[in-house]
Order: sequence, then C-alpha cells, then structure tokens
Amino acid sequence: GAVVSQHPSRVICKSGTSVKIECRSLDFQATTMFWYRQFPKQSLMLMATSNEGSKATYEQGVEKDKFLINHASLTLSTLTVTSAHPEDSSFYICSADRGRRTEAFFGQGTRLTVV
Amino acid sequence: GENVEQHPSTLSVQEGDSAVIKCTYSDSASNYFPWYKQELGKRPQLIIDIRSNVGEKKDQRIAVTLNKTAKHFSLHITETQPEDSAVYFCAASEEGTYKYIFGTGTRLKVLA
Repeated sequence: GAVVSQHPSRVICKSGTSVKIECRSLDFQATTMFWYRQFPKQSLMLMATSNEGSKATYEQGVEKDKFLINHASLTLSTLTVTSAHPEDSSFYICSADRGRRTEAFFGQGTRLTVV
Repeated sequence: GENVEQHPSTLSVQEGDSAVIKCTYSDSASNYFPWYKQELGKRPQLIIDIRSNVGEKKDQRIAVTLNKTAKHFSLHITETQPEDSAVYFCAASEEGTYKYIFGTGTRLKVLA
C-alpha cells in the first residue's frame, strides 16, 4: 500500500523552542495532507488540512500562529510547533490521500515532549 | 460540523468471544466510514471500511454494519484473539475529502 513517512518519530525540546515535523508521501503525490493531534489515551483530533501551494485550513480552536503548516510540494508537508510549551506535548500524526477513492494513509506519528 | 460518538470506551472479552463497538455520527453528508486499529505509539491501521451505499461488509472475522437512517455504524469482531487487543477508532468522512472525524476510541482487551 501507499507509504507515508513522518520524521522525527520522537523529539524532546525545551520550552520556548520550535520543532518541525515532516510528513512525506513516499510513493504517491498528495495534494492534501492532514495533521492530527492525539493526547494520551484519547482520540485523534484533526488540527488542520494542508493544501499544496496554498494556505492550510485550521480547525476551530487551533492556533495557526502556533502550529505553522507548510505544504511546499506534492510529497511534503511540515508542521512547526512554535514557542513550544509543555502542554504542546502530544502525539502528532499526519495523513495523506492518494485520490482514487482509497482510504487516507497515516504516518507513523511523532511523539513530542516539551520539557 | 461532524461529531462522532463511540461506545464503549473499554471492552474486555474472553478469547473466542465476539466484540462489538458502536458509533454514531451527526452529519448526513458523511458517506465513508473507516475503522482503524491502533497499537500503543503506532500509526492507526485501517482494518475495514464501509461506504454509505452498502449496509454491511465482512472481511474474515471482521464485519461492519451501517444504518444510514439512524446514523449508526458498528464494528463486529468474531472469534477474538489476544492479538486483537488494541484501541479501535471509528471515523466518518465525506468521501473524497479524506478529512476524518474520529470517534473517541475503544480499548479492547482480549483475555486469554
């Protein structure tokens, strides 16, 4: 099946710093990618829709200045958590679609810990 | 917007028994309903999906039913095995958007 790769899988950063997470579709082009956030033992909450070549669409309650999304190519979307705080610690997962009425494909996730 | 509710939040069954997880959705525009299995710290894995033009779909020990009128859909796992233990999420989507709204998850534990 289609492969979506996310990097890094784990990251620890200090409060106040920024962290970039990459989401790549390895064997297909994705005009749209999605970013989800998952707190421990909770569901995946959609944060934003990343559109290649245009601005991301953020879900209600998600700070666009805090979570910067860039979708510069058909195979790469990045999520940058700016000025990270301990409450931003979470599991971040991206997904991408290949069209053709198939399901969305998920990256392996990034566990962010802000200390 | 879409809202998906999922029950139960935890479910323990004896090996060999069946497990049923239920979801409801609110947006009548949703027409694609995937189910995902997620093991701790890993990506969700699609196990089965159903589209709104179908009432039931089966794949070996796993089946999904959809009642479009009532906006209910359910996951049925028969002859459960310990390796079925994981967290299961339902989701609803408008096909072609790939924007999934997930249920709250069910932690299934199969006791050997």
